[in-house]
Amino acid sequence: AQSVAQPEDQVNVAEGNPLTVKCTYSVSGNPYLFWYVQYPNRGLQFLLKYITGDNLVKGSYGFEAEFNKSQTSFHLKKPSALVSDSALYFCAVRGFYSSASKIIFGSGTRLSIRP
Amino acid sequence: EPEVTQTPSHQVTQMGQEVILRCVPISNHLYFYWYRQILGQKVEFLVSFYNNEISEKSEIFDDQFSVERPDGSNFTLKIRSTKLEDSAMYFCATKGSGQISYEQYFGPGTRLTVT
Repeated sequence: AQSVAQPEDQVNVAEGNPLTVKCTYSVSGNPYLFWYVQYPNRGLQFLLKYITGDNLVKGSYGFEAEFNKSQTSFHLKKPSALVSDSALYFCAVRGFYSSASKIIFGSGTRLSIRP
Repeated sequence: EPEVTQTPSHQVTQMGQEVILRCVPISNHLYFYWYRQILGQKVEFLVSFYNNEISEKSEIFDDQFSVERPDGSNFTLKIRSTKLEDSAMYFCATKGSGQISYEQYFGPGTRLTVT
């Protein structure tokens, strides 16, 4: 069975500092991994994905994520946080085998950036 | 940039009533999904739909739920007899086909309140 774990409910970072939001996954076969962001009263917005190739993937708004197969992790990172990055972040995984496959979401991590 | 739209944004209904939530997918997308998010909880998969039939459904998607594409454009979720526990944010998502389409794009959601 596929699953995603986000061990931190909340991450607090000062503006300008680097941020990391942690994610680990469990899936049969090669994973397709995603990060989504949800702003208050809004839908889920796609940030970035890992499908294959380079372990470091870059996405929207200066975010990047590092795929680590041995640690089954896909942590979201940003070198310098902005107050506007404050939102709810979801890590997600999709299995390899079917194009119609559902996405399994983690429980979410609330990122709070203080000025 | 093309986006998924959903109507209504907020629906209040009485227990036992039928509701229909509507989604307009991104043009030329072929895979359609419904997810829900109960307040404060994770995003949960309900159903996937491809080639005019359900590809996969979760345990949540029981006989009270149904989906269809009545006119080849809109994608609808019907709940026949709503229960209090159906109160949630319902998200439609769509995905393109082909080798480069992996991520799902989400609509802004419909907040369903069952009283």
